[in-house]
Amino acid sequence: GESVGLHLPTLSVQEGDNSIINCAYSNSASDYFIWYKQESGKGPQFIIDIRSNMDKRQGQRVTVLLNKTVKHLSLQIAATQPGDSAVYFCAEIAVVKLVFGAGTILRVKS
Amino acid sequence: DTEVTQTPKHLVMGMTNKKSLKCEQHMGHRAMYWYKQKAKKPPELMFVYSYEKLSINESVPSRFSPECPNSSLLNLHLHALQPEDSALYLCASSHPGRTTTGELFFGEGSRLTVL
Repeated sequence: GESVGLHLPTLSVQEGDNSIINCAYSNSASDYFIWYKQESGKGPQFIIDIRSNMDKRQGQRVTVLLNKTVKHLSLQIAATQPGDSAVYFCAEIAVVKLVFGAGTILRVKS
Repeated sequence: DTEVTQTPKHLVMGMTNKKSLKCEQHMGHRAMYWYKQKAKKPPELMFVYSYEKLSINESVPSRFSPECPNSSLLNLHLHALQPEDSALYLCASSHPGRTTTGELFFGEGSRLTVL
């Protein structure tokens, strides 16, 4: 069936560096693509979304890029901080169903 | 702090027990969700309530019974569960205007262990 998945299960970055988390999706009919952050012992937290007719969207220290040609989504985190350590899920929504991808663990080294 | 409150945070139950998970939000959201999350896996959608009516059931076994008594509360009744049902159960809600964009507010979850 349709699915959303990630390329790298774990990403380790030095504090202050930029992080890039990637995601491949297969459902080209999805309306929105979203990134969620889940810290240990907590529920997922919405970070940023991007509509399917957009290529790029920026938030505070985060940027999401959408490449519909190759069905690829990425999350860029600028000046990564220890508080950014978490599992990051890409997700897609179609007909009010939010479907999560496999997740990437981000570890920030001080 | 999350504005979606789930109780209990931890629950241990036997396979013959009947228990309930509870979720509450006071943000005026009219869509509420139950997700199940196994260790090191993404959350999986179970149920969606829209304006207090069940709109999506992802073929969840009948031993899980959802209930939405009012716009602020969501329950998940558990009966005759199996050990493989042990997981983190997440409740979420969304604003009517943001449901289609995927902006959900999640609680911290109820960690269920079935013995």
